[in-house]
Amino acid sequence: DVKVTQSSRYLVKRTGEKVFLECVQDMDHENMFWYRQDPGLGLRLIYFSYDVKMKEKGDIPEGYSVSREKKERFSLILESASTNQTSMYLCASSGPTGDDNEQFFGPGTRLTVL
Amino acid sequence: DAKTTQPPSMDCAEGRAANLPCNHSTISGNEYVYWYRQIHSQGPQYIIHGLKNNETNEMASLIITEDRKSSTLILPHATLRDTAVYYCIVRVMPGNTPLVFGKGTRLSVIA
Repeated sequence: DVKVTQSSRYLVKRTGEKVFLECVQDMDHENMFWYRQDPGLGLRLIYFSYDVKMKEKGDIPEGYSVSREKKERFSLILESASTNQTSMYLCASSGPTGDDNEQFFGPGTRLTVL
Repeated sequence: DAKTTQPPSMDCAEGRAANLPCNHSTISGNEYVYWYRQIHSQGPQYIIHGLKNNETNEMASLIITEDRKSSTLILPHATLRDTAVYYCIVRVMPGNTPLVFGKGTRLSVIA
């Protein structure tokens, strides 16, 4: 079975902390994505990456950065966590152009910033 | 902004067909219709996609109108496990572009 895993299901951090959310996929996918999901706002794209060391801003990149040093791993970084970053974070990956481009999602990390 | 319109919620009796509509009146010729669903506390899951022909897989059927301005996702025999939020998304394929999610339809399957 294809798999996208995220480092934690639940995470509690304090305001001002630097937070790392890790995502790993085992499908040799080129494309990886970070979304956040909030009640009433749905899923919104934070950052995505088409290849190692490449990144593109999504709709709401402010307050976040990303790292893709290896193909299978895409990290989301909250440089200085704030309470308005309390959310569900979802990672996804998809194969190369020409495939069905189905995106596979991880189980999500529910982050609470106190 | 999402380019689709879906009813916010629907109910379906267990064992009956669930028909979930989606309006995408501004769809372009090179855009596909994708359906995903999200069961509570899980990540979204791909269901099916199509361009203009009807499609069927082991999970569902997708019926796209001839003018492509709307579509219907059909779960032929809904079970309680199909209770989820269903998202209809239009996107260009090849599409390593991100998905743009709307609010979806919350389907409740009732015993």
